[in-house]
Amino acid sequence: DQQVKQNSPSLSVQEGRISILNCDYTNSMFDYFLWYKKYPAEGPTFLISISSIKDKNEDGRFTVFLNKSAKHLSLHIVPSQPGDSAVYFCAASDGSSGGSNYKLTFGKGTLLTVNP
Amino acid sequence: EPEVTQTPSHQVTQMGQEVILRCVPISNHLYFYWYRQILGQKVEFLVSFYNNEISEKSEIFDDQFSVERPDGSNFTLKIRSTKLEDSAMYFCASNRLGYEQFFGPGTRLTVL
Repeated sequence: DQQVKQNSPSLSVQEGRISILNCDYTNSMFDYFLWYKKYPAEGPTFLISISSIKDKNEDGRFTVFLNKSAKHLSLHIVPSQPGDSAVYFCAASDGSSGGSNYKLTFGKGTLLTVNP
Repeated sequence: EPEVTQTPSHQVTQMGQEVILRCVPISNHLYFYWYRQILGQKVEFLVSFYNNEISEKSEIFDDQFSVERPDGSNFTLKIRSTKLEDSAMYFCASNRLGYEQFFGPGTRLTVL
């Protein structure tokens, strides 16, 4: 049951270039999407998020784009830096149950390597 | 900056033994979660906890699992009788409200 899919297990880019990480989802009830970054031996670290009522959210070098009709989102990192090398997880949440339940459904992750 | 902490970082146990994984969420957070990641697989939701009770649990979270907030700071996950397939990284997370959750560094559980 892969409600959140990251079809690229890995991506390699040159320092200074753009990194584009993709994510697809199948559950129409998802109304909030998040990207987490994970280094080895550490927990996931929140990076950026977007509500389903928006199509773009930008924070410094990171921009997330959401295409609801295609059920697709992407994370753009510009310019990419070697320190960005990590596993990037796409996650989604369905807040329709309200109250205290904001469980996250994760994709399998994409390993980004930024080469100097 | 406040952070979620977890202990131990690595737990090795024999099949059938009980384990307790401990977490200290960020102090003013109200919602608490456990996730796990089996090696090479995705991070999976186990359980959410709010106001001293379970809000939601996944089908993974069967009768062998339990959670507790024994005092004002700790949040624990107990596995009563561990199986080989329980070997995974277990992540605790917390938040005050909204969707963004803050994760701890994880406990690696190895069941032999």
